[in-house]
Amino acid sequence: DAKTTQPNSMESNEEEPVHLPCNHSTISGTDYIHWYRQLPSQGPEYVIHGLTSNVNNRMASLAIAEDRKSSTLILHRATLRDAAVYYCILKRWGGTSYGKLTFGQGTILTVHP
Amino acid sequence: EAGVTQFPSHSVIEKGQTVTLRCDPISGHDNLYWYRRVMGKEIKFLLHFVKESKQDESGMPNNRFLAERTGGTYSTLKVQPAELEDSGVYFCASSQGGLAGGVEQYFGPGTRLTVT
Repeated sequence: DAKTTQPNSMESNEEEPVHLPCNHSTISGTDYIHWYRQLPSQGPEYVIHGLTSNVNNRMASLAIAEDRKSSTLILHRATLRDAAVYYCILKRWGGTSYGKLTFGQGTILTVHP
Repeated sequence: EAGVTQFPSHSVIEKGQTVTLRCDPISGHDNLYWYRRVMGKEIKFLLHFVKESKQDESGMPNNRFLAERTGGTYSTLKVQPAELEDSGVYFCASSQGGLAGGVEQYFGPGTRLTVT
């Protein structure tokens, strides 16, 4: 599985934007970039995913570098509810293990009031 | 619409006993997954069902773990006999059908298993 690298932790103030980086220099052409987050005492929650182009949804935006070796999850206005562990995951299209999510350590996001 | 549900939420058993965890996926989701996080480690994939068939069981740690999904609806994960290192949180997830890598998975709240 291709590996992702994320900072261990980041901090933000409420109502400010947050940019969570992820490096994935060994990404292959069939790898989708997924982001999940895990709030305290809950299961992981899907945030967003993309392949090559930048993506927006109601929760966040995903900016993907042109060479696809890095990406950034953008929370436009952090709230206290966004405090969670954020996971950047590469998910391969096709093959036997197409459903498998490989979680790393993730980034612990702390949001200050 | 109900999300993924798991039962029980917490189970405490003694080493050597048997425990069965249950997962009810979102209605209509063909894909069902089991993951677990043991103490201090990352969340690890265990296996993936497509309907009632095992698509990928590469993450199952050993033959003490048995997963079933009879009828392609709910799934059970049995640990027999349980060992201390099996303690952790077991998550179930489900997703709609399709081979594309862009299919999001919906996770349940997890079952916390403690083996003493």
